[in-house]
Amino acid sequence: AQTVTQSQPEMSVQEAETVTLSCTYDTSESDYYLFWYKQPPSRQMILVIRQEAYKQQNATENRFSVNFQKAAKSFSLKISDSQLGDAAMYFCAYRNQGGKLIFGQGTELSVKP
Amino acid sequence: GAGVSQTPSNKVTEKGKYVELRCDPISGHTALYWYRQSLGQGPEFLIYFQGTGAADDSGLPNDRFFAVRPEGSVSTLKIQRTERGDSAVYLCASSLGQGQSSIQYFGAGTRLSVL
Repeated sequence: AQTVTQSQPEMSVQEAETVTLSCTYDTSESDYYLFWYKQPPSRQMILVIRQEAYKQQNATENRFSVNFQKAAKSFSLKISDSQLGDAAMYFCAYRNQGGKLIFGQGTELSVKP
Repeated sequence: GAGVSQTPSNKVTEKGKYVELRCDPISGHTALYWYRQSLGQGPEFLIYFQGTGAADDSGLPNDRFFAVRPEGSVSTLKIQRTERGDSAVYLCASSLGQGQSSIQYFGAGTRLSVL
């Protein structure tokens, strides 16, 4: 069975600075997708970025980028130029071949003005 | 609709009662997922529909939980004889297809409180 681990329950960053959220996973599958979702207090999960396992190039979406290390089964999220609106819970998720998402425990990010 | 809609947004019930939670997916999305999110945890998979049929119900915790999607659009999650441990946020997501590349779009969830 696949598992996803986020070892940082809480993180804090100064506005305009850079922060990295960690995620590791375990799987025996060779083809899969990885995602980072953001969950603000409104509860709605919002997709931040996704990575295809067969692609070596790290995904980038504006201020958000990932460091995908397939051999190490690591998938960290880097947020550059942090903004107050980035404050939220962040979940790392693995999508298996069956289609369901497997989530980590989450990291609560706070942004200090 | 513009997004995934879940009703009610909050539901308070008494132990032993029956509840129904509704999910209205994005128009045209054939795949629909239910997840449960306990306080301080990440969402956990419950069940997944492709069209009208349940393609994977391995996450349903026991036979008190049941879900339907009779016309391949709206889905209802039904919980019988509710217990205090059922208190959680129930999230619904839909995607255009079932492929791994398909993005799941989430609703705002229903917060269920069992007293």
